[in-house]
Amino acid sequence: DSGVTQTPKHLITATGQRVTLRCSPRSGDLSVYWYQQSLDQGLQFLIHYYNGEERAKGNILERFSAQQFPDLHSELNLSSLELGDSALYFCASGLSGRATGELFFGEGSRLTVL
Amino acid sequence: AQSVAQPEDQVNVAEGNPLTVKCTYSVSGNPYLFWYVQYPNRGLQFLLKYITGDNLVKGSYGFEAEFNKSQTSFHLKKPSALVSDSALYFCAVRDLNDMRFGAGTRLTVKP
Repeated sequence: DSGVTQTPKHLITATGQRVTLRCSPRSGDLSVYWYQQSLDQGLQFLIHYYNGEERAKGNILERFSAQQFPDLHSELNLSSLELGDSALYFCASGLSGRATGELFFGEGSRLTVL
Repeated sequence: AQSVAQPEDQVNVAEGNPLTVKCTYSVSGNPYLFWYVQYPNRGLQFLLKYITGDNLVKGSYGFEAEFNKSQTSFHLKKPSALVSDSALYFCAVRDLNDMRFGAGTRLTVKP
């Protein structure tokens, strides 16, 4: 158990809809990272939050947004969903301000868009 | 921008034989390199990392990795493979802002 909790584990929805994925980081970790894993594109970095502030953006679509709340949990919002958004979405947390520490991953949220 | 590459999509080895999963990196400055393993329908699990110091890094489950600065490589190795090592392996490079992953290598260990 990594200590990172993601909900829901599975989600099935229709095109055009909006969903919210939730992540609770390990106790003490200030950084939260979001990744998308699809069959044909590997693990893509989406966004990184540190202590409530956006630290870095990767290949995140404009239809997607994220935030980190004062209690340090994070939410990833996906809107106007398309079939191609079907993927595993991972959250990871890590020690703040250090590039030398490993990240700890949740079990992921599997999104299926029909 | 920092990046890593995993040149092999698939590696097959027989149980008991040594295994190597390859990774090369491209960074400016000091590389902070990581290996992760992913089992089916699970999150990524940390195996080991290279930050500085000894070029041979030992990690979990008997895995080790060799950092080679001249070849910009960070290959994952294990002296004797187990069937239970069959999984998807990712190499990664990290800076303060993000961690970037390779495309992954699927390791299959056959009995």
